[in-house]
Amino acid sequence: NAGVTQTPKFRVLKTGQSMTLLCAQDMNHEYMYWYRQDPGMGLRLIHYSVGEGTTAKGEVPDGYNVSRLKKQNFLLGLESAAPSQTSVYFCASRDRGQNTEAFFGQGTRLTVV
Amino acid sequence: AQSVTQPDIHITVSEGASLELRCNYSYGATPYLFWYVQSPGQGLQLLLKYFSGDTLVQGIKGFEAEFKRSQSSFNLRKPSVHWSDAAEYFCAVGAPQGAQKLVFGQGTRLTINP
Repeated sequence: NAGVTQTPKFRVLKTGQSMTLLCAQDMNHEYMYWYRQDPGMGLRLIHYSVGEGTTAKGEVPDGYNVSRLKKQNFLLGLESAAPSQTSVYFCASRDRGQNTEAFFGQGTRLTVV
Repeated sequence: AQSVTQPDIHITVSEGASLELRCNYSYGATPYLFWYVQSPGQGLQLLLKYFSGDTLVQGIKGFEAEFKRSQSSFNLRKPSVHWSDAAEYFCAVGAPQGAQKLVFGQGTRLTINP
């Protein structure tokens, strides 16, 4: 049981390049999230999904897009990377319910130069 | 909208000493509250959670937290810390309505002195 798997673990991009981060979960969870973690800022929610085919904006959605074509996968896209998007990105998933635990991936460290 | 404040960015304690990490939340009703721990270079792991019932909840690794409605707080405690407890700790809140979203505090980095 792998839990939540993020791909890739590290990436360096040049300003203006695009990329997609993949999150895969094997727990059949309904809810999935993308967070970014920056020093002193905690985790800030970028986008989330409450089910296959649905997505919603979080606190800091600008510059990112997401898709949830399959229940087990949640993709985060950067169309034109900027240095301000240098961060550590975490994906999480939760089962349906109000008090369920969120399970996190190991993170993707992205540097935009 | 709900929010979470962790007033202490960095705390240093000696090994064997007691620990209390503060968490204050803002929400109009009783929220669902969580504490997570993040070891260096790792993802987040759940320590404990509160959603109803007994206001003192026990978690893994000897941690506990107490929900105080009157103070809008959910402080994390441990009677005696170990060097392996050095990590970053995050408090999070989920609202009963729209509970799909978890909102995190800024985190508290814990350093343990030998």
